[in-house]
Amino acid sequence: DTGVSQNPRHKITKRGQNVTFRCDPISEHNRLYWYRQTLGQGPEFLTYFQNEAQLEKSRLLSDRFSAERPKGSFSTLEIQRTEQGDSAMYLCASSLVASYGYTFGSGTRLTVV
Amino acid sequence: QKEVEQDPGPLSVPEGAIVSLNCTYSNSAFQYFMWYRQYSRKGPELLMYTYSSGNKEDGRFTAQVDKSSKYISLFIRDSQPSDSATYLCAMSSPPGTALIFGKGTTLSVSS
Repeated sequence: DTGVSQNPRHKITKRGQNVTFRCDPISEHNRLYWYRQTLGQGPEFLTYFQNEAQLEKSRLLSDRFSAERPKGSFSTLEIQRTEQGDSAMYLCASSLVASYGYTFGSGTRLTVV
Repeated sequence: QKEVEQDPGPLSVPEGAIVSLNCTYSNSAFQYFMWYRQYSRKGPELLMYTYSSGNKEDGRFTAQVDKSSKYISLFIRDSQPSDSATYLCAMSSPPGTALIFGKGTTLSVSS
């Protein structure tokens, strides 16, 4: 296990379609985070899990967005009825509870056309 | 006003220069401060972290936190072309909770 893995790396979808991204964290990490980053901006927090429990959600996470972490291992982020404004890099990170900083994956770049 | 302000640059320096990167913040509850480096098309990579006010040094990198001024800095000594990247400051209240990031400063070091 060499790091946080995200799939796919790139996704192009038509407006109105649903998309799902997957994140596989570092195996011993019990916290998993989702961030969104647009060009020229820093990552914006979306949500995080401790094991399978979703502990916090940003108000950025509209009702079109849903995240799951079944069994406390990998996580999925689904966006329903995509809009052009959803085009961004979606970053996943993981950490141990109460540790400093996270380990980020390389992200999934979403383009909505 | 955003919670964390960071000048996006770009900042261009010659190899060997000392680089100073800065962020200001408004939320006095922040206690944990981090600097991440992000190369193009990659995720952010943790460089330094500090707790509360003070300095921390790691090789060519020094992180400073001044909580009274709500101001944090990252200094890079003897900058190298490989340091060319975007530098993001980030902060949180308890560790392991949501990190709030600055916009990032793009640094270019020319040989």
